[in-house]
This record gives sequence, structure tokens and C-alpha cells, in this order.
Amino acid sequence: GAVVSQHPSRVICKSGTSVKIECRSLDFQATTMFWYRQFPKQSLMLMATSNEGSKATYEQGVEKDKFLINHASLTLSTLTVTSAHPEDSSFYICSARRTPTEKLFFGSGTQLSVL
Amino acid sequence: ELKVEQNPLFLSMQEGKNYTIYCNYSTTSDRLYWYRQDPGKSLESLFVLLSNGAVKQEGRLMASLDTKARLSTLHITAAVHDLSATYFCAVEETSGSRLTFGEGTQLTVNP
Repeated sequence: GAVVSQHPSRVICKSGTSVKIECRSLDFQATTMFWYRQFPKQSLMLMATSNEGSKATYEQGVEKDKFLINHASLTLSTLTVTSAHPEDSSFYICSARRTPTEKLFFGSGTQLSVL
Repeated sequence: ELKVEQNPLFLSMQEGKNYTIYCNYSTTSDRLYWYRQDPGKSLESLFVLLSNGAVKQEGRLMASLDTKARLSTLHITAAVHDLSATYFCAVEETSGSRLTFGEGTQLTVNP
């Protein structure tokens, strides 16, 4: 089956630094990828929809200058948390689908801890 | 705006017992998903329900969908400890669009 790879699985960084998270579709091309954030014991909240070759679509309340999304190819989307602060500490999960009618496949998630 | 509500949010049950988790959503939808999440892990896909009256079963779990009532259920039969996890339903408003997740149901199965 289709696999979505996410890297790194865990990252600890100092406040003020930037962190890049990669999401790759390993055996299919994904024109659209989704980025979710999950705080402890809460549900998944969609942050943005990443579109290959064009700008990402951000959900209301998500700062696009803080959470930079780049979907440079049909198999790779990156999320960069710029100038991270402790309140950005969260579990970030990407997802992708091969075609609009197929189910979503989720990456393994990235636990970000900002000190 | 699509809203998805799960009930209950916390469920503690004994092994061998049956129980049902409910998922209500506010607008018409193309499809509904059920996922399992273990602590610190990503989501594991359990079921995809595509049409009114759809019923799917896998082991001790059975999911159903009533699109007229905008309700899906996840039924647990003869629970075992390994089923302890958080279960999410998620609704896709139209084909290819993003998913809106319910709050999640944290299930604990006690020996």
C-alpha cells in the first residue's frame, strides 16, 4: 500500500530556532498534502493544505509566516516552523492521497519540543 | 462549517464487554473514516465508510454509517486490553477535500 514518510520523528530545539519537517510520499505522487497539529490529548487540527507548485492554503488562525510550507515536488512537502517558541511544541502530522477519491495516508508524525 | 462530535470522550470498560462509540456530524458528507491512535503514534486507518447503510467489520470492531441521521457508530465486541487507544472519526465533506476530526474517544480496557 501507499506509504507516507515523515522525518524527523522527534526534534528538540531551542526557542528562536527554526525547524524543518519533511513529508514524502514514497510510492505515489501527491498533488495535495495536508499538515495537521495535535496538542496532547486533543484532536487533530488542520493547519494548511499544501499544493504542489503553488502556495499553501492556511486555515484561519494559522500564521503563514511562522509555518512555512513548501511543496516543491509531487513527492515532497516541507513544513518549517520559524522562530519556534515553547507554545509551538506539538505533534505535527502530514497526510497525502494518491487521487482525490482515495483515502488519506498519514505520516508517522513529528513530536516537536521547544525549550 | 462542518462540525464533528464524538461521544463519549472517555470510556473505561472491562474486558469482555461490548460498547459503542458515536460520531455525529453537521453537514452532508461524501465519506467517513475511523482511525486508531496509540500514545505518541500517528493514525492507523480502521474503516472508510462511503455510503448510507455501510457496515464494515474487522475483528472485534464494527463501524456503520447512517448518512440521513449524520451518524456513524464504532461498536466494540468483547473488548480486550489491546484495544486500549484513542479512536477518532473524521469526515470528508466532499471528495478530495480535507478531513475534519472528532474530538477523539480515549478507550481504556481493564483486565
